[in-house]
Amino acid sequence: EPEVTQTPSHQVTQMGQEVILRCVPISNHLYFYWYRQILGQKVEFLVSFYNNEISEKSEIFDDQFSVERPDGSNFTLKIRSTKLEDSAMYFCASSLGGGEYYGYTFGSGTRLTVV
Amino acid sequence: GQQLNQSPQSMFIQEGEDVSMNCTSSSIFNTWLWYKQDPGEGPVLLIALYKAGELTSNGRLTAQFGITRKDSFLNISASIPSDVGIYFCAGQASGNTPLVFGKGTRLSVIA
Repeated sequence: EPEVTQTPSHQVTQMGQEVILRCVPISNHLYFYWYRQILGQKVEFLVSFYNNEISEKSEIFDDQFSVERPDGSNFTLKIRSTKLEDSAMYFCASSLGGGEYYGYTFGSGTRLTVV
Repeated sequence: GQQLNQSPQSMFIQEGEDVSMNCTSSSIFNTWLWYKQDPGEGPVLLIALYKAGELTSNGRLTAQFGITRKDSFLNISASIPSDVGIYFCAGQASGNTPLVFGKGTRLSVIA
């Protein structure tokens, strides 16, 4: 079954450093998403991306965050200057999209720890 | 913003028992979804509901989309140890709007 692949699975970084989280969505999917989950809490929407641009973003997704699809297969989330409160699991997801719900597929996540 | 209220927060049950959990919202969702999350993994879709009043089964799992479009429940029958995990409801207002997740129900099954 097709999978969404995320790397790395764990990342530890110093406060103030830049991190890039990487995702390879399912190849024929058109919509891409980043969600995050602070330990023990619910999954929260960050950003959606379609046709090489952001289609929607939450208030969490401030100027410190950016997304990019640098080639035909990767989808990245960059945090420019990490803060302690950025520590969380970050999940990438993709879907075929369209007017009806086709189904999100989530990756296994990247656990980001900011120290 | 939109919020989903999921209950109970956690449950401890004996193997073989049935389980019920639910989600309510103050706003309407046109799609309701139930996910399971195992430790260190991403959410995995269990059941998707697209029509108000719809009742859908997936093996021992049954979920219903409330007629008002503001609630949904998930039932698990004859629980087994591998049912352990966190169950999340999620709603989608329309089209490709983001999923809104509940806070999850942590299920523990005692053999």
